[in-house]
Amino acid sequence: AQSVTQLDSQVPVFEEAPVELRCNYSSSVSVYLFWYVQYPNQGLQLLLKYLSGSTLVESINGFEAEFNKSQTSFHLRKPSVHISDTAEYFCAVSYLEDSNYQLIWGAGTKLIIKP
Amino acid sequence: DAMVIQNPRYQVTQFGKPVTLSCSQTLNHNVMYWYQQKSSQAPKLLFHYYDKDFNNEADTPDNFQSRRPNTSFCFLDIRSPGLGDAAMYLCATSTSGTDTYEQYFGPGTRLTVT
Repeated sequence: AQSVTQLDSQVPVFEEAPVELRCNYSSSVSVYLFWYVQYPNQGLQLLLKYLSGSTLVESINGFEAEFNKSQTSFHLRKPSVHISDTAEYFCAVSYLEDSNYQLIWGAGTKLIIKP
Repeated sequence: DAMVIQNPRYQVTQFGKPVTLSCSQTLNHNVMYWYQQKSSQAPKLLFHYYDKDFNNEADTPDNFQSRRPNTSFCFLDIRSPGLGDAAMYLCATSTSGTDTYEQYFGPGTRLTVT
């Protein structure tokens, strides 16, 4: 069975400091990997995705994530956070099962930016 | 811009009073999903439509129903809302075929049950 683990429910960090949000997955089949961001009282927005090719993927607002197949990880990083990055971040994995794609979610990590 | 729209953004209903949430999309995607998300939790899939084919998750309560009258619209009906149904409800869409793995989300409807 496939699973996604986000070990940290909350990550507090000072503004302009670097941050890493961890995501590990377990799967016996090939997967696609996603990070979604959810700002307070809003829907989910796709932040970045890994489908194939380069294992390092970047978003337009400075986040990046690296797919590490041997460690089955897809950690999200940003070198310098801003107060506007305060949000909940969800890691998700998509895989093919019985000709349909399934999407499973991590429990989410709240990024708390301290001024 | 192509998008997923949910109305209303905030909905208040009384305990036991039926409520309908709506979702529309201009992406022309043939798959539509409804998720329930409670505070500080991951989204939970309730059901999805593959074209007109309805697929219910095994643990979705009978209290939740859905309709998809055409490609663009999908409705979530809660027949007798309980206090435990207060949550954010998210609609999402995807294409079929090789791009099905990516889902596009609406802004959500926050449901309050009084």
